[in-house]
Amino acid sequence: KAGVTQTPRYLIKTRGQQVTLSCSPISGHRSVSWYQQTPGQGLQFLFEYFSETQRNKGNFPGRFSGRQFSNSRSEMNVSTLELGDSALYLCASSLGLARGNEQFFGPGTRLTVL
Amino acid sequence: AQKITQTQPGMFVQEKEAVTLDCTYDTSDQSYGLFWYKQPSSGEMIFLIYQGSYDEQNATEGRYSLNFQKARKSANLVISASQLGDSAMYFCAMREEGNQGGKLIFGQGTELSVKP
Repeated sequence: KAGVTQTPRYLIKTRGQQVTLSCSPISGHRSVSWYQQTPGQGLQFLFEYFSETQRNKGNFPGRFSGRQFSNSRSEMNVSTLELGDSALYLCASSLGLARGNEQFFGPGTRLTVL
Repeated sequence: AQKITQTQPGMFVQEKEAVTLDCTYDTSDQSYGLFWYKQPSSGEMIFLIYQGSYDEQNATEGRYSLNFQKARKSANLVISASQLGDSAMYFCAMREEGNQGGKLIFGQGTELSVKP
């Protein structure tokens, strides 16, 4: 079974631009979560989607948004990029919301904002 | 508020020896799950082991075992017979499972270096 895939793997943008990151979950998985990883703040939860509905949202500004499609694929968008948005963005998928459903992570998208 | 604390920023272990990575957590929920992930330099987070708060037995997965002490709110990861490929960052994470949702709260991580 194929793992979680994320595209693109690397991205360089300039301040003020916007970016869209894509995540394809493991086949059959309906829950997708997004995390931001930086050296200073560590791993922080962005949001979670289940069956096209946002179930949880982390403490990030409105410039960060996401959505999930009917095939469970998810995208996240960051508008008006800032230097501090440079990070590794990780997507994780799981079967659902029940206890014990571990989250499987993709390889991440490394975003650099210049 | 939920919190995960990993007090060891870095650790060294000799190849073939066992090593314990510490993790303490704080939550007011009764139902929660504890996870350990490994992150090599490539960046991908690799799931290692899971322990549910109601599980009576400590979880084990191959060379990994989780020393779960609920009263002390600790969930230490034990890696037996360390291998060079175990060198990586290790993250402890928690998820409150009483409500719907899969949000993981991560600790700051421990960087493990295995010496030959």
